[in-house]
Amino acid sequence: DAKTTQPTSMDCAEGRAANLPCNHSTISGNEYVYWYRQIHSQGPQYIIHGLKNNETNEMASLIITEDRKSSTLILPHATLRDTAVYYCIVRSRSGNTGKLIFGQGTTLQVKP
Amino acid sequence: EPEVTQTPSHQVTQMGQEVILRCVPISNHLYFYWYRQILGQKVEFLVSFYNNEISEKSEIFDDQFSVERPDGSNFTLKIRSTKLEDSAMYFCASLVGLAYEQYFGPGTRLTVT
Repeated sequence: DAKTTQPTSMDCAEGRAANLPCNHSTISGNEYVYWYRQIHSQGPQYIIHGLKNNETNEMASLIITEDRKSSTLILPHATLRDTAVYYCIVRSRSGNTGKLIFGQGTTLQVKP
Repeated sequence: EPEVTQTPSHQVTQMGQEVILRCVPISNHLYFYWYRQILGQKVEFLVSFYNNEISEKSEIFDDQFSVERPDGSNFTLKIRSTKLEDSAMYFCASLVGLAYEQYFGPGTRLTVT
C-alpha cells in the first residue's frame, strides 16, 4: 500500500470549513484513498473514501487531484465535536487482507 | 445502525496473567481484525481473520497472542501471559467485504500492572 503524508496538526475556527490535505504520490491505479478519524481514544471512525472522482457524503467531501497524488478532506462546517485525529490511508480493495495501516494522522483542533 | 461491540471496556490484570478480550462484530461481516494503540502512539495492526483462520498477522502478534471465533458471533483476542508493554487500547474491527469500509469497536483498555 502506498504511503501517505499529512501535516501533524491544524486548527480551524468553529463553523468554518476544515481542509485537511494528504499526499500520496506513490499511489497505484487500483488503490483507494480512505479517511478515518479518531476522537480522543475512541475507535477509529470511517469518514469517506474515493478512487479518482470527488466524493461527498453527510460527513465530508473528498477532493482527489487529477493525478491522484494528493487529496483533501473537507469538513464543510466544522464543530467542536470534529476535534479529532484524521487519518488518510491508501489501500487496494482486492488482493489483500483488508488491514489498515495508520500513520500519525493530522490532529485537527476546532476552536470556538 | 449496527455496531461492533467490545467487552470489557477496561481490564486490569497482573503481569503474567492471561486475558481474553471479547468482540462482537457486525453480524453479516466476514473479515475481522484486532488493532492496538499504546497511549500516545499510532494505531497498529495486529491480526486479520477470515474464513476461520488467520489471514495475516503483524510482528507484534507473537506466540503469546491468539484469536478465535468460537461460536460464529464472538471474536476473541487472548494474551497468554501479559507483559507490562501489552498495556494499550485494543480495537476490534470488522468488514463485510474487502471493497467496503471497516467498522471499529469502542476498544478495551488493557492495563497490566
